[in-house]
Amino acid sequence: GAVVSQHPSWVICKSGTSVKIECRSLDFQATTMFWYRQFPKQSLMLMATSNEGSKATYEQGVEKDKFLINHASLTLSTLTVTSAHPEDSSFYICSAAWDSSFNQPQHFGDGTRLSIL
Amino acid sequence: DAKTTQPPSMDCAEGRAANLPCNHSTISGNEYVYWYRQIHSQGPQYIIHGLKNNETNEMASLIITEDRKSSTLILPHATLRDTAVYYCIVRAVGTYKYIFGTGTRLKVLA
Repeated sequence: GAVVSQHPSWVICKSGTSVKIECRSLDFQATTMFWYRQFPKQSLMLMATSNEGSKATYEQGVEKDKFLINHASLTLSTLTVTSAHPEDSSFYICSAAWDSSFNQPQHFGDGTRLSIL
Repeated sequence: DAKTTQPPSMDCAEGRAANLPCNHSTISGNEYVYWYRQIHSQGPQYIIHGLKNNETNEMASLIITEDRKSSTLILPHATLRDTAVYYCIVRAVGTYKYIFGTGTRLKVLA
């Protein structure tokens, strides 16, 4: 089945630093990738949608200058949390879809738990 | 706003069938229904999806009502490892975007 790999799985860093999270589709070419955030005991919230080679589309209320998304190839998207603060601590999850129809399911990575001290 | 409604929690005895309902009364004619589950501290795992007809795979069966306003995910023989939060999802119209609701927390009891 379709495999999406996310790295790192866990990161702890000091307030003010920037953190990069990678999302790779291992066995398919992802035309579209998505980034979600999940707080404890809550559902997933979509942050942004990225298409290879173009700028990401951010959901309302998500700061694009804080959460930088790059989708440079059909197998890799990155999310950089810039100048991270404790309130950015969360579970970040990516997903990928591989065709231009709206019917194929998204496949999710295993998430990255980010803790900002 | 979420386009689906699910009960917040359910219990099921190990070995029995788990039937998880979902209401999606505003679904459009060409929108699929997707089911995922999320085990603690992991990303959502794809289970099954369907449009009109009932679907079955190695994990589960999906029953969609004729008017498509609701569906039921069936895990035929639940095991302890099926304990998870189950999400029923309908895409935002004309987009790839999933709108996650609050899901159903299924607890399989020994």
